[in-house]
Amino acid sequence: DTEVTQTPKHLVMGMTNKKSLKCEQHMGHRAMYWYKQKAKKPPELMFVYSYEKLSINESVPSRFSPECPNSSLLNLHLHALQPEDSALYLCASAGRETQYFGPGTRLLVL
Amino acid sequence: AQSVTQLDSQVPVFEEAPVELRCNYSSSVSVYLFWYVQYPNQGLQLLLKYLSGSTLVESINGFEAEFNKSQTSFHLRKPSVHISDTAEYFCAVSDQLGSNDYKLSFGAGTTVTVRA
Repeated sequence: DTEVTQTPKHLVMGMTNKKSLKCEQHMGHRAMYWYKQKAKKPPELMFVYSYEKLSINESVPSRFSPECPNSSLLNLHLHALQPEDSALYLCASAGRETQYFGPGTRLLVL
Repeated sequence: AQSVTQLDSQVPVFEEAPVELRCNYSSSVSVYLFWYVQYPNQGLQLLLKYLSGSTLVESINGFEAEFNKSQTSFHLRKPSVHISDTAEYFCAVSDQLGSNDYKLSFGAGTTVTVRA
């Protein structure tokens, strides 16, 4: 099973809202990733967790706050977002050789 | 850091015709190469990968890619495309396999549109 699940599938939020994106994998992978993808562009890396510790933060604004409660779950907490943050947010998990992506959450910030 | 160039941003092709998507990467001692496909309104799916061994790798749905070290290329080919192959294709490279939290460098993507 190479499935990564993400909820919700779609999210609309105002600039003053607080919301969270969730990601789950049961492949036993110890690395999990958040990416942001704009239309017709490749994914841009945001955060990497390795063994439940934040190992890479690609200078992401503090209005995005990641959390890794356990080895299977990854959250992305959103607060005071801007309209330009509207995008597809992809989660991935990785074994030693391959990253597997979830279906994404399509976020619209109004 | 690795960089990836996908030479074609858009490739229109007729159904049952062959297609080739070109990918070049910056040189490195060890490199690991991937092709991902993204169908409309979906996430990325791994299509195929080269880690070591045979330079020709194949996917279950008829795609193949050949690793060419001298030309630093990893072009993707399919001899006969279907309408369902319409998608965005991303070439990606990593030189960090072996660590748990390796980064992928993605190309800009190639949009393949298959017409009847």
